[in-house]
Amino acid sequence: EIVMTQSPATLSVSPGERATLSCRASQSVITYLAWYQQKPGQAPRLLIYGASTRATGIPARFSGSGSGTEFTLTISSLQSEDFAVYYCQQYNNWPPYTFGQGTKLEIK
Amino acid sequence: QVTLKESGPALVKPTQTLTVTCTFSGFSLSTNGMRVSWIRQPPGKALEWLARIDWDDDKFYSTSLKTRLTISKDTSKNQVVLTMTNMDPVDTATYYCARQPSSLDAFDIWGQGTMVTVSS
Repeated sequence: EIVMTQSPATLSVSPGERATLSCRASQSVITYLAWYQQKPGQAPRLLIYGASTRATGIPARFSGSGSGTEFTLTISSLQSEDFAVYYCQQYNNWPPYTFGQGTKLEIK
Repeated sequence: QVTLKESGPALVKPTQTLTVTCTFSGFSLSTNGMRVSWIRQPPGKALEWLARIDWDDDKFYSTSLKTRLTISKDTSKNQVVLTMTNMDPVDTATYYCARQPSSLDAFDIWGQGTMVTVSS
């Protein structure tokens, strides 16, 4: 089973600033990596798939990069609605599909 | 518009079997490449994938929960059903279903989730 490790667990950033979230896989997942955003009381929402492709309707301030075992989600200029928990997920080696433990992005 | 909605009991007793149903619209599970997965999330914890069913009735399960899970579909009703046997308090979680088209392979549309508590 591939273990996904996200860092940091909590990230404090001011609105308007850039946020950089990291995700590491225990073995290569090539670019079969997705990012999800989850707000309190809501289901996750797909942001990025294929490591760098934005899902339908996702603003351009969200970007993904990386390959192999190291991945990054960048939010270029944080808006108030972006404060949430973010999960990475691999779909290269399954079953099982595996998720990271999440990064909570909070307002500084 | 694609939507999915989970339904099931809010409370089950330990050792009982859980049955949750995902009713969807806006797509067909008989379309080549279409898939639906179940994912759960214990309160305050991370997401855990449970099972997947494909348009051709292929089924895949979490390796750690495989012996307890059964996934099935009723294409005519646009429903996917997950059963989990021998429920335990650690299975307390919100259970989500999500669409997973092979063109993306990621979970692109999620239901709102149904919270299941396991307690005597």
